[in-house]
Amino acid sequence: DAKTTQPNSMESNEEEPVHLPCNHSTISGTDYIHWYRQLPSQGPEYVIHGLTSNVNNRMASLAIAEDRKSSTLILHRATLRDAAVYYCIPTDRGSTLGRLYFGRGTQLTVWP
Amino acid sequence: GAVVSQHPSRVICKSGTSVKIECRSLDFQATTMFWYRQFPKQSLMLMATSNEGSKATYEQGVEKDKFLINHASLTLSTLTVTSAHPEDSSFYICSAREWDRDTYNSPLHFGNGTRLTVT
Repeated sequence: DAKTTQPNSMESNEEEPVHLPCNHSTISGTDYIHWYRQLPSQGPEYVIHGLTSNVNNRMASLAIAEDRKSSTLILHRATLRDAAVYYCIPTDRGSTLGRLYFGRGTQLTVWP
Repeated sequence: GAVVSQHPSRVICKSGTSVKIECRSLDFQATTMFWYRQFPKQSLMLMATSNEGSKATYEQGVEKDKFLINHASLTLSTLTVTSAHPEDSSFYICSAREWDRDTYNSPLHFGNGTRLTVT
């Protein structure tokens, strides 16, 4: 499995953009990069995923480095509801069942 | 959107008893479901992959005789913690993909978890 490195924690003020980095230098060429987030006492929630190109959806944007060794999740305007642990997860290419192995993630704190 | 429902959301049981947790995909079919466990302040740990109509696949170090998984239909998987002990107290979370999008590229949908406390 590709290993990931994320900062343990980050902080932001409400309505400011947030850039959450993730290093995945051992990612294979066909692994997708998934981002999930988990609010306290809840199951994780899908945020976004991509392969090579930058991706946008209603929740966030995903910027993937050209060499694919890193990616950045962008929350354009943080809200208090975005306070969560964010996980960057390359897919398990070795399994056709698509298992996801979670790392430690980044705890995002949003200040009002 | 696709919804995964877990029941119960919270359960307290006595040491030595067994507890069953249900995971249902409400508006889609899932040939594969995944069970995770999460201890306080820690990340999710994948326990096993539940396969409809066949045996579950357990991750290394997870006791299959202790954590019984049954995936009886395309919408239901159950996890039974047998002879529970206080160290089994944890947050158990299931997840699933839609059957017709059952590739590793499509998003996983997670239940809201079951908080198990063994006294």
